[in-house]
Amino acid sequence: GDSVTQMEGPVTLSEEAFLTINCTYTATGYPSLFWYVQYPGEGLQLLLKATKADDKGSNKGFEATYRKETTSFHLEKGSVQVSDSAVYFCALTPNTGNQFYFGTGTSLTVIP
Amino acid sequence: EPEVTQTPSHQVTQMGQEVILRCVPISNHLYFYWYRQILGQKVEFLVSFYNNEISEKSEIFDDQFSVERPDGSNFTLKIRSTKLEDSAMYFCASSERRGSYGYTFGSGTRLTVV
Repeated sequence: GDSVTQMEGPVTLSEEAFLTINCTYTATGYPSLFWYVQYPGEGLQLLLKATKADDKGSNKGFEATYRKETTSFHLEKGSVQVSDSAVYFCALTPNTGNQFYFGTGTSLTVIP
Repeated sequence: EPEVTQTPSHQVTQMGQEVILRCVPISNHLYFYWYRQILGQKVEFLVSFYNNEISEKSEIFDDQFSVERPDGSNFTLKIRSTKLEDSAMYFCASSERRGSYGYTFGSGTRLTVV
């Protein structure tokens, strides 16, 4: 069945460090791929998405590219800030149906 | 920006008790969902609801669970007789149409069964 595997956390980085959170997926057909972020005490917020192969989603300095050949959607940011501290979830929706399949989440802490 | 509102943010209940988790979806949305996340595990789909009936449900959503839209604004998840393993974060979501467009999640209700 459809599933998402993402990098185990927690991840701790210094401010301005480079961030990569790995995400790979298993799906039939052509799913849409997402990164969601959850700040403390808040809901799941859409960070970025890509709906077809080679698409790059970007938002707030974060980027992820839909790689069908490696079934991956790794999240990157060139220079993290303390305010980026949150839990990041990789997710997919299949091209049919409207439920999300999530990864386990990766907790990121950025220290000054 | 429109939000999906969930109440309460944290609920503690005794094993065997019934619990109702409440959600107010975005007003013009037509599709409603519940997900749960057991601590340290994945966020898992429970059920989707459209046109006053369940449209999809997962294996997790057994006879202990039910959903209802009792009025024009609320969407509830009821667990009839809670078990320890029901302890989790429960997320409500809504969307304007089928598919991922405009899918919005609430902030979750943390349910603790003791």
